[in-house]
Amino acid sequence: SQQGEEDPQALSIQEGENATMNCSYKTSINNLQWYRQNSGRGLVHLILIRSNEREKHSGRLRVTLDTSKKSSSLLITASRAADTASYFCATDLSGNTGKLIFGQGTTLQVKP
Amino acid sequence: DTGVSQDPRHKITKRGQNVTFRCDPISEHNRLYWYRQTLGQGPEFLTYFQNEAQLEKSRLLSDRFSAERPKGSFSTLEIQRTEQGDSAMYLCASRASWNTEAFFGQGTRLTVV
Repeated sequence: SQQGEEDPQALSIQEGENATMNCSYKTSINNLQWYRQNSGRGLVHLILIRSNEREKHSGRLRVTLDTSKKSSSLLITASRAADTASYFCATDLSGNTGKLIFGQGTTLQVKP
Repeated sequence: DTGVSQDPRHKITKRGQNVTFRCDPISEHNRLYWYRQTLGQGPEFLTYFQNEAQLEKSRLLSDRFSAERPKGSFSTLEIQRTEQGDSAMYLCASRASWNTEAFFGQGTRLTVV
């Protein structure tokens, strides 16, 4: 079953603008991971943020995690047309199975 | 390329036929996961292995599905008597441990006609 919900479901912006995607989940987690997926392709790992971390950066990506609100956000700064893709958050539930529970994703379109 | 590798990338099969997919994980990763993704949805967990042991299977994995990881390295996912509802992208992921990054392969897109 899906436990994450992403918001918005779709986002369309101009090149150079920032894009923010949000993810909410329902149960306790060990960590949360963000992925990018281009149409018809596999998932590309972006960032893993642990439950005891509040913010993480990687290049133009910034991820925050608020475990009290059970939510995370992914910010892409200075977006490029090549950032056009679907973005998914995936939660590692408490326990040690390592299986991920995905949301339905946010589809981002960056117009040149 | 030392990433996760899946084969084939695409498979078209007639309803009722059996199909088998292969996944080669990152070599030092002892955990291997299978997921299924349908159009417009996020991936859903099917099953996972720690080394050669299959430790959990989702209720999505009907009796027609079987997965193996015989020597704790590559894994195969077989679907017997395929149905049109089996049409999906089948994704494989590997992890070094339960709390490290999960890396995915490019997936196998199955179309049952």
